[in-house]
Amino acid sequence: DVKVTQSSRYLVKRTGEKVFLECVQDMDHENMFWYRQDPGLGLRLIYFSYDVKMKEKGDIPEGYSVSREKKERFSLILESASTNQTSMYLCASSFTVGHSNTEAFFGQGTRLTVV
Amino acid sequence: QKEVEQNSGPLSVPEGAIASLNCTYSDRVSQSFFWYRQYSGKSPELIMSIYSNGDKEDGRFTAQLNKASQYVSLLIRDSQPSDSATYLCALRMDSSYKLIFGSGTRLLVRP
Repeated sequence: DVKVTQSSRYLVKRTGEKVFLECVQDMDHENMFWYRQDPGLGLRLIYFSYDVKMKEKGDIPEGYSVSREKKERFSLILESASTNQTSMYLCASSFTVGHSNTEAFFGQGTRLTVV
Repeated sequence: QKEVEQNSGPLSVPEGAIASLNCTYSDRVSQSFFWYRQYSGKSPELIMSIYSNGDKEDGRFTAQLNKASQYVSLLIRDSQPSDSATYLCALRMDSSYKLIFGSGTRLLVRP
């Protein structure tokens, strides 16, 4: 079974703090993603990576950065946390078969509260 | 117009009935389609994927894709209270890494 593990299930941080969310997958997937999920807005893509050290902006990258130094690990960084970044953060991974990409498998989510 | 549209619900069906969940999309080059189930407070889990027109069955679940009409649906036969969850439709455009999600339909199966 694919396993995508996020480092924390719940986090509470203060406004202005630098926050790191870690995600590790054990299936040698090329592609990794960070989404946030908010009521009424659904899942929105923040950043994704299709290879080590490669990253692409998603739909809402402002206020976030990412790091992918190893294939299995994809980190989301909130440079200076703000209250509007309070959300559920979901990491996902998928692999590439030929020119196609497979379905994404999700981690358990990190519920971040910024106070 | 959103790229992926779903009725937010809730869709309420009695136990044992067929639940029909629908999703429409705006981009004609979309190639891959997925249905995820998400229980409250949990992360999405994949139920079905479908890539070509027609029906695909897996147990109590059937996914239907009609690319000409730009819709994909999920049928759940013999609905159970444990099927009560939010169902997310997602698509991937050809040669894209990104999955684009609808905002989900909440299903409530009444005992």
